[in-house]
Amino acid sequence: DAGVTQSPTHLIKTRGQQVTLRCSPKSGHDTVSWYQQALGQGPQFIFQYYEEEERQRGNFPDRFSGHQFPNYSSELNVNALLLGDSALYLCASSLLDSSGIYEQYFGPGTRLTVT
Amino acid sequence: GQSLEQPSEVTAVEGAIVQINCTYQTSGFYGLSWYQQHDGGAPTFLSYNGLDGLEETGRFSSFLSRSDSYGYLLLQELQMKDSASYFCVLSGSSYKLIFGSGTRLLVRP
Repeated sequence: DAGVTQSPTHLIKTRGQQVTLRCSPKSGHDTVSWYQQALGQGPQFIFQYYEEEERQRGNFPDRFSGHQFPNYSSELNVNALLLGDSALYLCASSLLDSSGIYEQYFGPGTRLTVT
Repeated sequence: GQSLEQPSEVTAVEGAIVQINCTYQTSGFYGLSWYQQHDGGAPTFLSYNGLDGLEETGRFSSFLSRSDSYGYLLLQELQMKDSASYFCVLSGSSYKLIFGSGTRLLVRP
């Protein structure tokens, strides 16, 4: 049973560029959440997708957008990259049921470096 | 808003017991979870307290007191592989997880 997968593993971009990160959820999961983790900090919630719609959003600017596909996979897009966007981007999948409230399965993350 | 506080770093000896405390501020939530993250790895779910009291899962136990806005994670029979960061996490009806800043646990031989 494949867990959560993310691609690419590492990415280096220049300020002002745009980036797309990809995530495939754990088999059977229908909900995908994205988190940003700065070095030495806890993950910060960006947004969550369910049934191809953004269900919840954290305190992130509109430069951060996403998409969920019919097969439940998801993309995170960041436009007009800033140096401060350098972080580990984590994707987590879950079910939208009682366990999904607290138990999410995280992928290994994409390390984004903006220069 | 919601916030959590936990110590930044804890050091303990292999075979010992260590407790990682967490205090939180929130207007309402379902429960408190704990996640473990090794360097370079993904956060993994350890334990959840939806009700006050103690939950035990093998060598790990977690406790919640809503009246004190306080919880802790207890790790027994520490092993070298337990060296990692531990996050207390608030969860609620929105299905988003609110992470603390994490406690880095170093287990020494």
